[in-house]
Amino acid sequence: KQEVTQIPAALSVPEGENLVLNCSFTDSAIYNLQWFRQDPGKGLTSLLLIQSSQREQTSGRLNASLDKSSGRSTLYIAASQPGDSATYLCAVRPNSNYQLIWGAGTKLIIKP
Amino acid sequence: DAGVIQSPRHEVTEMGQEVTLRCKPISGHDYLFWYRQTMMRGLELLIYFNNNVPIDDSGMPEDRFSAKMPNASFSTLKIQPSEPRDSAVYFCASRPTGYEQFFGPGTRLTVL
Repeated sequence: KQEVTQIPAALSVPEGENLVLNCSFTDSAIYNLQWFRQDPGKGLTSLLLIQSSQREQTSGRLNASLDKSSGRSTLYIAASQPGDSATYLCAVRPNSNYQLIWGAGTKLIIKP
Repeated sequence: DAGVIQSPRHEVTEMGQEVTLRCKPISGHDYLFWYRQTMMRGLELLIYFNNNVPIDDSGMPEDRFSAKMPNASFSTLKIQPSEPRDSAVYFCASRPTGYEQFFGPGTRLTVL
């Protein structure tokens, strides 16, 4: 059974730092992995999608990597800003027609 | 594209009343998902549809919950009768086969 874990549950860093959020999954047979952002009281916004054949995806200051063999993905945020404060969730899709398996999220606070 | 549309955005009702939540997925997306999010349990998948057909409703908490998708552009989640423990944010999401998932803004339900 696929399980997705995100550690730490919360992270607080000063503005301007580069940081890494971690996501691990127990079964390496995945179709893709998706990172989302959720602001308090709001819906989820898709940040990056990595297909199983890809190693990384980049969007602006965000870079997501995927290492299927070790069951890990990381979300790298460069030059963090207070506006990056949110909860970040990763989710794994075991196959193309299956639903996402969710991590519990990392709550990120960027201090001005 | 307007994205996934949900209505109402907020709903306050009294215990025992019927509640109907509505969702319009993104045009062309053949998968539709209903989620519930609470502080205690996080994000839970309730049910999902593929081409308007319910595929997995194992996440529906009990018979008081029902969901329909009469056509490709509309879905409802109904709770009858509602209870205070149903208070949560309910999200609808859609995606095309194999690609990333997009969420609606959610409906915040409060059952008094």
